[in-house]
Amino acid sequence: QLQLQESGPGLVKPSETLSLTCTVSGGSISSSSYYWGWIRQPPGKGLEWIGSIYYSGSTYYNPSLKSRVTISVDTSKNQFSLKLSSVTAADTAVYYCARHPRGVTTILVWGQGTLVTVSS
Amino acid sequence: DIQMTQSPSSLSASVGDRVTITCRASQSISSYLNWYQQKPGKAPKLLIYAASSLQSGVPSRFSGSGSGTDFTLTISSLQPEDFATYYCQQSYSTLLFTFGPGTKVDIK
Repeated sequence: QLQLQESGPGLVKPSETLSLTCTVSGGSISSSSYYWGWIRQPPGKGLEWIGSIYYSGSTYYNPSLKSRVTISVDTSKNQFSLKLSSVTAADTAVYYCARHPRGVTTILVWGQGTLVTVSS
Repeated sequence: DIQMTQSPSSLSASVGDRVTITCRASQSISSYLNWYQQKPGKAPKLLIYAASSLQSGVPSRFSGSGSGTDFTLTISSLQPEDFATYYCQQSYSTLLFTFGPGTKVDIK
């Protein structure tokens, strides 16, 4: 059974870069059928898609975050990662990693989520 | 960009009630509409895809309808485990996920 697990610092200082990794188990990140994505949810608020990556490294991002976001993949470790630069308190959120079929924006598999707080 | 709205933003209901949540898209999205359920502290769970197709394992009391710009999620007989927040999401765009703001269903 496919499982996704987010990891990374739970506290990041303003203006610094938020870095998270999602480890995929029970399946291969190199599957040609899926993209791997990041979604976030500020406390008490709704869901915001950040971006997605294919195992080949092809990416697409939410235009509202594109200038600050980098998503990368490491197929040897079965992981993909998120970097969000110049963070502010508005970036405080639960960050989820997820999998969706290639060419389909429907999420069937989610990680459990990890809370990242931006504070000095 | 396609914008999604939901109504109501919250509702109170009793076990056994029929509950209806509405989602509207800012432009026609055909039937490219998903519904997710999220419980506190948990990741969202896909309930309905393609506007009316029930995801495997989801109880049949959940149903979805609509096309174009207007969509509905119905819970025919609300159960205790259904108290949660529900989000719609357009899947018309293959390059951009857009979620609605959510509808919280709580106990009356």
